[in-house]
Amino acid sequence: QVQLQESGPGLVKPSQTLSLTCTVSGGSISSGDYYWSWVRQHPEKGLEWFGYIYYSGATFDNPSLRSRATISVDTSKNQFSLNLSSVTAADTAVYYCARWVRGDYAMDVWGQGTTVTVSS
Amino acid sequence: DVQMTQSPSSVSAAVGDRVTITCRASLGISSYLAWYQQKPGKAPRVVISGASTLQSGVPSRFSGSGSGTDFTLTISNLQPEDFATYYCQQANRFPITFGPGTKVDIK
Repeated sequence: QVQLQESGPGLVKPSQTLSLTCTVSGGSISSGDYYWSWVRQHPEKGLEWFGYIYYSGATFDNPSLRSRATISVDTSKNQFSLNLSSVTAADTAVYYCARWVRGDYAMDVWGQGTTVTVSS
Repeated sequence: DVQMTQSPSSVSAAVGDRVTITCRASLGISSYLAWYQQKPGKAPRVVISGASTLQSGVPSRFSGSGSGTDFTLTISNLQPEDFATYYCQQANRFPITFGPGTKVDIK
């Protein structure tokens, strides 16, 4: 079965760029049935959607984060990534990658999440 | 953005109880509504998609209904493993947005 695993630094300094990667195992990221998403959750708060990407590279993102966030895909590595620039303490959160099912309009497989702290 | 609200924000219930959670969208979203269950320290798990379609592996005591702006998630015969926070999510318009969550805890 498909599994997703986030990787990246747990600590990032303010004003730097946060880079996270999600590795997909047990299935191909090039399956046309799915988009690949990033979601974050601030401490003790709700969920915020960054966007998702198709294996072709087409992205659909959150306008409120668009100026700082970039989602990309590397089909050769079966990975997709999130870059978030100019981070501040407000970007401290748990970051999840997830599989979005086309036609189902929901995320059915999630990574375990990675905690990112922005601090000097 | 489509704003999602949920009520109540928390509910205390006993094993065996029936719990109903309401989700309201600021605009009509047809049936593009999903419900997620999240336990502490864990990723969310989708339980309902398309407002009423039970996801594979989810017990039949979970049910969803509604369309347009008003939706409900009902858990019948609450079990110990159901104590969690539940979020609704709309997918009718970008950006995808979530409700603030409803915490179901033990009475």
